[in-house]
Amino acid sequence: DSGVTQTPKHLITATGQRVTLRCSPRSGDLSVYWYQQSLDQGLQFLIQYYNGEERAKGNILERFSAQQFPDLHSELNLSSLELGDSALYFCASSVDPPGELFFGEGSRLTVL
Amino acid sequence: AQSVAQPEDQVNVAEGNPLTVKCTYSVSGNPYLFWYVQYPNRGLQFLLKYITGDNLVKGSYGFEAEFNKSQTSFHLKKPSALVSDSALYFCAVRGSGTYKYIFGTGTRLKVLA
Repeated sequence: DSGVTQTPKHLITATGQRVTLRCSPRSGDLSVYWYQQSLDQGLQFLIQYYNGEERAKGNILERFSAQQFPDLHSELNLSSLELGDSALYFCASSVDPPGELFFGEGSRLTVL
Repeated sequence: AQSVAQPEDQVNVAEGNPLTVKCTYSVSGNPYLFWYVQYPNRGLQFLLKYITGDNLVKGSYGFEAEFNKSQTSFHLKKPSALVSDSALYFCAVRGSGTYKYIFGTGTRLKVLA
């Protein structure tokens, strides 16, 4: 158990809908990272937050947004969903200055 | 820009034989290098890291990796493979001065009994 909690574990929705994925980092970790893992594109970095502030941005679509709250949990919002958004979404946290990442078990999103 | 290459999609090795999973990287500044393992329907688990110091790094489950600056490589090794080592392995890099961790595409290791 990494100590990073992600909910929901599975989510099935329709195209055009909006979903929110939630992540609670390990106790004491201030940094949260979001990654998308799909079969044909490997693990893609989406965005990173540190203590509530956006710190780094990767290949995150404009339809996606994220935030980190004062209690350090983070949410990833995915809107106007398309079939191609079906993937496993991982959250990870780390101590700052960043060493290794600790990953949650992921949220599997299926868009029908 | 940072990048990581894992040139082999799959590596097959017999149980008891040594294994190597290859990784090369490109990064500005000093590299921070990591290996992770992913079992089916699970998150990534940290195996080992190179930050500074000795080029040979030892990690969990008997794995080790060798940092080679001139070849910009960080290959994962294990002297004697187990069937239970069969999984998907990811190499990752973070350059000093950046907060992005970039992952390779993964190498599927299959250890045959």
